[in-house]
Amino acid sequence: QKEVEQNSGPLSVPEGAIASLNCTYSDRGSQSFFWYRQYSGKSPELIMSIYSNGDKEDGRFTAQLNKASQYVSLLIRDSQPSDSATYLCASRDSGNTGKLIFGQGTTLQVKP
Amino acid sequence: EAEVAQSPRYKITEKSQAVAFWCDPISGHATLYWYRQILGQGPELLVQFQDESVVDDSQLPKDRFSAERLKGVDSTLKIQPAELGDSAMYLCASSSQGYEQYFGPGTRLTVT
Repeated sequence: QKEVEQNSGPLSVPEGAIASLNCTYSDRGSQSFFWYRQYSGKSPELIMSIYSNGDKEDGRFTAQLNKASQYVSLLIRDSQPSDSATYLCASRDSGNTGKLIFGQGTTLQVKP
Repeated sequence: EAEVAQSPRYKITEKSQAVAFWCDPISGHATLYWYRQILGQGPELLVQFQDESVVDDSQLPKDRFSAERLKGVDSTLKIQPAELGDSAMYLCASSSQGYEQYFGPGTRLTVT
């Protein structure tokens, strides 16, 4: 059973701080990873994708991938109250279909 | 900006009744996915279409669930009969190359 593991949180950070969200995955053959943001009662919104080892930056967001450790992280700089949401980590299954396998999500609370 | 459309947004039904959900993917996206998300968990794939063909329905409860994408564009997911445990958010997503998936707004189903 291929899995993605995340700490459910909540992770609480003050406004302006760096929020660090982490996940691990079990499918060693997976090559593609995604972070989705989901506000309460809404659908997931794709915010980052990463395919290569190292860092990928997009605005205040940085995704980090370490395939040897099977570890993916998302850093949010200058956190804002509007960043308060659940963040879902997903890996693309290495099998024929390439379906996404999601973690349970980490709830982030940014306090003013 | 192109979006995935879903309807209805909310559905309340009694157990043993039939329900149906509709999804229209982003124009040109050949791959369409139906996910189910239970509160507090990540989305889980129910069925994946490539054009009009089913690629993966291994997690679809086929005794009560059915899905079709007859012309390779929009899709319908049906449940008959609905059970209390089917209460969840039903999410449709689409992708063009099978990598980045974009979700619609979802249908919140409540079975009473």
